[in-house]
Amino acid sequence: GAVVSQHPSRVICKSGTSVKIECRSLDFQATTMFWYRQFPKKSLMLMATSNEGSKATYEQGVEKDKFLINHASLTLSTLTVTSAHPEDSSFYICSARAPVGTIYFGEGSWLTVV
Amino acid sequence: AQSVTQLGSHVSVSEGALVLLRCNYSSSVPPYLFWYVQYPNQGLQLLLKYTSAATLVKGINGFEAEFKKSETSFHLTKPSAHMSDAAEYFCAVSDRTGNQFYFGTGTSLTVIP
Repeated sequence: GAVVSQHPSRVICKSGTSVKIECRSLDFQATTMFWYRQFPKKSLMLMATSNEGSKATYEQGVEKDKFLINHASLTLSTLTVTSAHPEDSSFYICSARAPVGTIYFGEGSWLTVV
Repeated sequence: AQSVTQLGSHVSVSEGALVLLRCNYSSSVPPYLFWYVQYPNQGLQLLLKYTSAATLVKGINGFEAEFKKSETSFHLTKPSAHMSDAAEYFCAVSDRTGNQFYFGTGTSLTVIP
């Protein structure tokens, strides 16, 4: 079946640095991808909707300059956490919409900022 | 506006017992409803979804859920719990475009041997 892959699955970075997380749709083209953040013991929060070839649409309260989203191709969207701080440590999950409309989620990426 | 409420952040059942995870939704339009499972340190896996066909939806691993419009509910059930069912379960709602998913806060299922 359709697969959405995220890389890296785990990353540790130093405070103040930037880190990029990739989300790839492996066997379908995804014009729309979504980025979520999951806080401990909390639900998933939609951060932004990423449309191929256009700017991402951010949810209220999400800093677009801190969480840079690029959807450069129909199979790849990236989330870059800029000037990361320990409070950015979280589990980030992407999802991608297949042409038939089904949403597939990636495996998630654990970010730890030290 | 859409939202889901999952009653009970933690549910414990004995192995072999009935699993019942509750989800109530709020939606101003006919919704699509989903149940996802998240195993430790893993992403989300779709268990089942309701998209306006049969109100009783069967999913993977023996789970099923029934859409009850009058009760605005979409509770998840499994007749007999297995140890491998221990995980976090999320109910989610979206509109017909699927542009946005709104997740519940999750229910952690513990299966007692």
